[in-house]
Amino acid sequence: QKEVEQNSGPLSVPEGAIASLNCTYSDRGSQSFFWYRQYSGKSPELIMSIYSNGDKEDGRFTAQLNKASQYVSLLIRDSQPSDSATYLCAVKRPRGSTLGRLYFGRGTQLTVWP
Amino acid sequence: EAEVAQSPRYKITEKSQAVAFWCDPISGHATLYWYRQILGQGPELLVQFQDESVVDDSQLPKDRFSAERLKGVDSTLKIQPAELGDSAMYLCASSLGKDRWTEAFFGQGTRLTVV
Repeated sequence: QKEVEQNSGPLSVPEGAIASLNCTYSDRGSQSFFWYRQYSGKSPELIMSIYSNGDKEDGRFTAQLNKASQYVSLLIRDSQPSDSATYLCAVKRPRGSTLGRLYFGRGTQLTVWP
Repeated sequence: EAEVAQSPRYKITEKSQAVAFWCDPISGHATLYWYRQILGQGPELLVQFQDESVVDDSQLPKDRFSAERLKGVDSTLKIQPAELGDSAMYLCASSLGKDRWTEAFFGQGTRLTVV
């Protein structure tokens, strides 16, 4: 079982719609959760972090965390063609100290069409 | 805006040659990561440093890969000899400190092609 699972997509939504990206993780001890955006040929860019159950909103982005279900999601409202990218879910697991290892899913490719 | 610096951006090397990548983390960041990302997959951790110490190199192919961060600032990742399967994006990231909550920021990466 992989540490972090994502649907690879592709996910295709029209401009202005809500895009919903999902991620599950295997270790219940995980405590820090991140979403990165990666444009083709570029490096990952951090867009959201979430540490406690519930929703966290930042502009058009909302991250949702449900630790009981080991589930993290990212909602993108009013999707724009410029949001077309691969979205990586990352989970940090503590390793018996404060140092954590960051595990990534394989990413979900999102296409927003005009 | 502070950034993680990596060089070179692109590298083409022949099989069996040696290759090295350099990373300078954001100033003050104690934790430094080297990741490898194969096309279509997520980044996979090769090595993690806390200051100058290696804290996780369990996925580093130690027969050919080495990494160092001598003064706890910049870092070098070396491959010798390079193999065709090493073609990938090599990403360096850094985070502020030991706190497990801190976020990791990536450099622009080095795209390696082994021919």
